[in-house]
Amino acid sequence: EVQLSESGGGLVQPGGSLRLSCVASGFTFSNHAMSWVRQAPGKGLEWVSGISGSGRAPSYADSVKGRVSISRDSSKNTLFLQMNSLRAEDTAVYYCARHNSGWFLSFLDFWGQGTLVTVSS
Amino acid sequence: EIVMTQSPDTLSVSPGERATLSCRASQTINSNLAWYQQKPGQAPRLLISGASTRATGVPARFSGSGSGTEFTLTISSLQSEDFAVYYCQQYNNWPPAFGQGTKVEIK
Repeated sequence: EVQLSESGGGLVQPGGSLRLSCVASGFTFSNHAMSWVRQAPGKGLEWVSGISGSGRAPSYADSVKGRVSISRDSSKNTLFLQMNSLRAEDTAVYYCARHNSGWFLSFLDFWGQGTLVTVSS
Repeated sequence: EIVMTQSPDTLSVSPGERATLSCRASQTINSNLAWYQQKPGQAPRLLISGASTRATGVPARFSGSGSGTEFTLTISSLQSEDFAVYYCQQYNNWPPAFGQGTKVEIK
């Protein structure tokens, strides 16, 4: 059974940093691209960042480019999102999601339950 | 960058009735479109990929159609568990983009 479990969210002050983690199980991690998708309170879904199965091709939404870094550790089946210079508008539930192939021009077939990031003073 | 626009924003439907949701892409995306269902407090769930292929375990009352720029999700006979928000997403061009969502509510 595919499982994705996020952690690392919490309350952080504007300008602060957080590192989100997503532990994957039930599939061959390196065979699948992975993405982070966020959802601000009461709003829709926004793709944030993705990385190929090989880990060689990270990509970012313009709204977070230069402030976040995605990475993966296949030895630990874990996806990461390092977020710096956080702003109030980054407040959201952050979902880890699996792509159905090794490349991220593919649909998202499994999602984690999400971790809440709140940026506030 | 492709913009996905869903209509309507809210759809009021009685249980047992048919619901038709639309999704339009700002440029052609071939059939590289997915639909997701999200219930309150839950993560999104994949319903449809490739514009018309149901995901494993998705009931047959859900069907998707369309190609190019116009797409439709049809729920043939709404059940109580189908009242939720539905999102379309294109994965033909970078960056992947979601529509703003259609909320299906009880009439």
